[in-house]
Amino acid sequence: DSGVTQTPKHLITATGQRVTLRCSPRSGDLSVYWYQQSLDQGLQFLIQYYNGEERAKGNILERFSAQQFPDLHSELNLSSLELGDSALYFCASSEGGDGRYYEQYFGPGTRLTVT
Amino acid sequence: AQSVTQLDSQVPVFEEAPVELRCNYSSSVSVYLFWYVQYPNQGLQLLLKYLSGSTLVKGINGFEAEFNKSQTSFHLRKPSVHISDTAEYFCAVSDTSGTYKYIFGTGTRLKVLA
Repeated sequence: DSGVTQTPKHLITATGQRVTLRCSPRSGDLSVYWYQQSLDQGLQFLIQYYNGEERAKGNILERFSAQQFPDLHSELNLSSLELGDSALYFCASSEGGDGRYYEQYFGPGTRLTVT
Repeated sequence: AQSVTQLDSQVPVFEEAPVELRCNYSSSVSVYLFWYVQYPNQGLQLLLKYLSGSTLVKGINGFEAEFNKSQTSFHLRKPSVHISDTAEYFCAVSDTSGTYKYIFGTGTRLKVLA
């Protein structure tokens, strides 16, 4: 158990809908990272927040957005969902502000299925 | 921009045999290199990373990797594998400047056979 929690575990929704994925980092970790793992795109870094502020951006679509709240939990919002958004979405957390230097601890993921 | 190539999508190997998982990268700037493992139905776990210093990096669970700048490679090795090493392994690259950003390889599925 990494100490990172993600809810829900599974999510099934229809095209065009909007969903919110939630991540609670390990106690004391200030950074949250979001990743997408799909058969088509492989594993991709989406976005990072550090202590409430966006720190780094990867291959995140404009239809996706994220935020980190004062209690440090984070939400990833996916809108206008398409079939290709079906994937496993991971959250990770780290103590410091750069995942290259601080170990990231990954949650179990949320599996999103868009039908 | 960087890219990572993991040529082997699947590697079967017998228990207690050695294994090498290959990773090649492309970059016009200096890089950091990482290996992650993903066990079935779990998130990723860092095995080892190369930031600077010795090109031979030792990680957890008996794994090691060697950074070869001239061949732009960062192959992962283990001298003797166990059934429990069955998992997917991802190589990742990041440049050494700017903000955090990983580029992952497509993964290699290691299957250890009894």
